[in-house]
Parts: sequence; C-alpha cells; structure tokens
Amino acid sequence: EPEVTQTPSHQVTQMGQEVILRCVPISNHLYFYWYRQILGQKVEFLVSFYNNEISEKSEIFDDQFSVERPDGSNFTLKIRSTKLEDSAMYFCASSDRVDKNIQYFGAGTRLSVL
Amino acid sequence: SQQGEEDPQALSIQEGENATMNCSYKTSINNLQWYRQNSGRGLVHLILIRSNEREKHSGRLRVTLDTSKKSSSLLITASRAADTASYFCARFENNLFFGTGTRLTVIP
Repeated sequence: EPEVTQTPSHQVTQMGQEVILRCVPISNHLYFYWYRQILGQKVEFLVSFYNNEISEKSEIFDDQFSVERPDGSNFTLKIRSTKLEDSAMYFCASSDRVDKNIQYFGAGTRLSVL
Repeated sequence: SQQGEEDPQALSIQEGENATMNCSYKTSINNLQWYRQNSGRGLVHLILIRSNEREKHSGRLRVTLDTSKKSSSLLITASRAADTASYFCARFENNLFFGTGTRLTVIP
C-alpha cells in the first residue's frame, strides 16, 4: 500500500541551526501539508501546498519556515534558525484530487532542538 | 479556538468492552473526521462523516454527528488490546484542525 515517508525519523540540532525535514508524499497526490505536534499537545496545521505554491499557512508558519518541492517526489520543510520551542514531531501529509478531505500522514520526524 | 475538544482525555477499559469518545467543536463543518495515532507514530484516517449525515459505520467503528449540538462521538465495539492508541477528531476546512485527543488504553 502506498505511504508517505519521512526522513529522518529523529533530528537533533543546536539552537540557531538550519534543519530540513524531508517527505516523499504518495506518488499521485497533488496536495501536501505539514503539521506539527509539540509533546503532549494537539496536532497543529502549519502549511498546505498545491501546484508548486503555498495554498494556506497558519500563524505558526512564520518567516523562519519555508517549504519546497524541489523535484517530482520530495516535499521539504526548512526551518532557517531553529529555536528551542521548535522541538516537536513534524508530520507530512498528502491527499489526492479525488478526495482532498482525507489526508495520509507520514510517521513523522521528531525534531529536538538543544 | 476552531479546533475540537475531546473527552475524556484518557479512557481505560477491559478488552471486549466498548469505548466511547466524544468530540465537540465550535464552528460549522463540512465534515468531521476521526484519526488514530499509535504512540510516536503518524495519524491514520479512520472515518469521515459529512455534515448531512447522522451516523456512519465502519467495521467495529460507529460515528455519530449532531450538528445542532456541534458534537460527534466515536464508538469502538468489542475493543482489543491493539486498539490502544490516541484518537482525534478533526474538522476539515481546506486543512485539518485537530482536537485534543483521547488516549485509549485497552487492557488485555
């Protein structure tokens, strides 16, 4: 069964460093998303992406964040200068044109900012 | 907040019992969805109920929706130890807005 894959599963970084979280969405999907979940809290929407541009972003998704689809398969989230409070699980998701309502999630990347 | 609130926050039951989780939301919806999250893993879509539906079934899952009360419930019948996970409701409005989740523990 096709699935969304995320790498790495765990990323440790120093405060102020840049990190890139990688995702390979399901191959025929057209809509892509990033969510985050701080330990013990809700899953929060960060950004959605369609047709090579951001469709919507939340107030969490400030200038430190960016997304890119550098080729036909990868979808990346970059955090330019990490802060301690960026420590969280980051989930990538994708959905297809037929049913945009249902999103398929990757297993997540745990980001630890020290 | 646009997001849902689930109750209870945690639920512990014996295998074979039914588990009921509730979700309330504040704004109007097109649909409401339920997702499951195993510890440290991603979210898995379970079921979607549209605003014009009142009840939906999928295997051992039964979801109800009361738009007048802005609430939904997820019932898992004949629970199994493998059902142990966190369950989230999510309102869809271009993106998903998740609730706080219910942590379900099924004791074998």
